[in-house]
Amino acid sequence: KAGVTQTPRYLIKTRGQQVTLSCSPISGHRSVSWYQQTPGQGLQFLFEYFSETQRNKGNFPGRFSGRQFSNSRSEMNVSTLELGDSALYLCASSLSRQNSDEQFFGPGTRLTVL
Amino acid sequence: GQSLEQPSEVTAVEGAIVQINCTYQTSGFYGLSWYQQHDGGAPTFLSYNALDGLEETGRFSSFLSRSDSYGYLLLQELQMKDSASYFCAQQTGNTPLVFGKGTRLSVIA
Repeated sequence: KAGVTQTPRYLIKTRGQQVTLSCSPISGHRSVSWYQQTPGQGLQFLFEYFSETQRNKGNFPGRFSGRQFSNSRSEMNVSTLELGDSALYLCASSLSRQNSDEQFFGPGTRLTVL
Repeated sequence: GQSLEQPSEVTAVEGAIVQINCTYQTSGFYGLSWYQQHDGGAPTFLSYNALDGLEETGRFSSFLSRSDSYGYLLLQELQMKDSASYFCAQQTGNTPLVFGKGTRLSVIA
């Protein structure tokens, strides 16, 4: 079974631009979560999607948005990029929203904002 | 909001045992997970505890004490490949996982 895939793996943008990141969950997984990871910080939760609906949203500005498609693939968008948005963006999928469900992480997209 | 406390760095000798502690907030607590992340890699799931006690999976064990709002990850027979960052993560109902800032484990010869 293929794992979680994320595209692109690396991205360089300049301030003010916008970016779209893509995540394909494991086949059959319906829950997709996004996290931002920066050096010295843990994983900061961005969004959770289940069955095309945003179920939870983290404490990030409105420049961060996302969506999920009917095939469970998900995208996140960051508009008006700032230097502080440079980070590793991780996507994780799980079978459902059960508390004990293991989250399977993708390799991440490393975004650098210049 | 929820926050978890874990040491930022731990160093241990190859072949030894190391314990990584994690304290969490009790509000709405449901369970505690542990994830491992190697440099440049994705976090991978290690264990999940919802009930008090010890869960053992090979060389790795995880313990939870709900009365103390405390858990730990125990790594035995340390190997060089265990050098990585380890994150505890709190599950609270249907809200998303909240991760600690991670403990960087260095295994030395």
